[in-house]
Amino acid sequence: SYVLTQPPSVSVAPGKTARITCGGNNIGTKSVHWYQQKPGQAPVLVIYNDRDRPSGIHERFSGSNSGNTATLTISRVEPGDEADYYCQVWDSSSDHQVFGGGTKVTVL
Amino acid sequence: QVQLQESGPGLVKPSETLSLTCSVSDGSIRSYYWSWIRQPPGKGLQWIGYIYNTGRTNYNPSLKSRATISVDTSKNQFSLRLSSVTAADTAVYYCARYLDHYDSSGLRIAYFDHWGQGTLVTVSS
Repeated sequence: SYVLTQPPSVSVAPGKTARITCGGNNIGTKSVHWYQQKPGQAPVLVIYNDRDRPSGIHERFSGSNSGNTATLTISRVEPGDEADYYCQVWDSSSDHQVFGGGTKVTVL
Repeated sequence: QVQLQESGPGLVKPSETLSLTCSVSDGSIRSYYWSWIRQPPGKGLQWIGYIYNTGRTNYNPSLKSRATISVDTSKNQFSLRLSSVTAADTAVYYCARYLDHYDSSGLRIAYFDHWGQGTLVTVSS
């Protein structure tokens, strides 16, 4: 089955840029989606189809996808961005949804 | 916008069947796919399966055919049944709306755009 690999944690200072990676075999050929999950809350979609933002998501959140790595970028990080972030793709070989293991973003 | 709400027992005994229902706030249950996702305490997200209003389903094979998702369009609800539960099935269970389509190049785009708040189900005697 298809595996998505995320770093367990990323630390960033307020006002700086956080980059969260999601690795997978030829992930650049897939459509990647990202979710933010704050403690005790349900996940929220922040990026879909590699780089599109749902209504209500700030432009500080952006995405890219190429080769074997997709990236979620959070610009001008704020304390409120502290959360777990998950990537997700549809695996064509199994016709199933796959989530990455999640990355905890800590704002220093 | 659409709202989803999970309901069901918070405690299930080992070997019994877990049953949850998700209520959809508007009539869109007839127009979309609907899914269940779970998250064991302190761990990541695991997709369980999805259903369309036609009854078409697809499940995570890791659940070894224990999961069954059904839909009741007259009640704007869909449900999850998970049989023969063990402690490993203890998790927060989320229902979500699942968008699934192909773009102009044939790339399949499938993701979860609205989620319920989640409900904790503990498996214990």
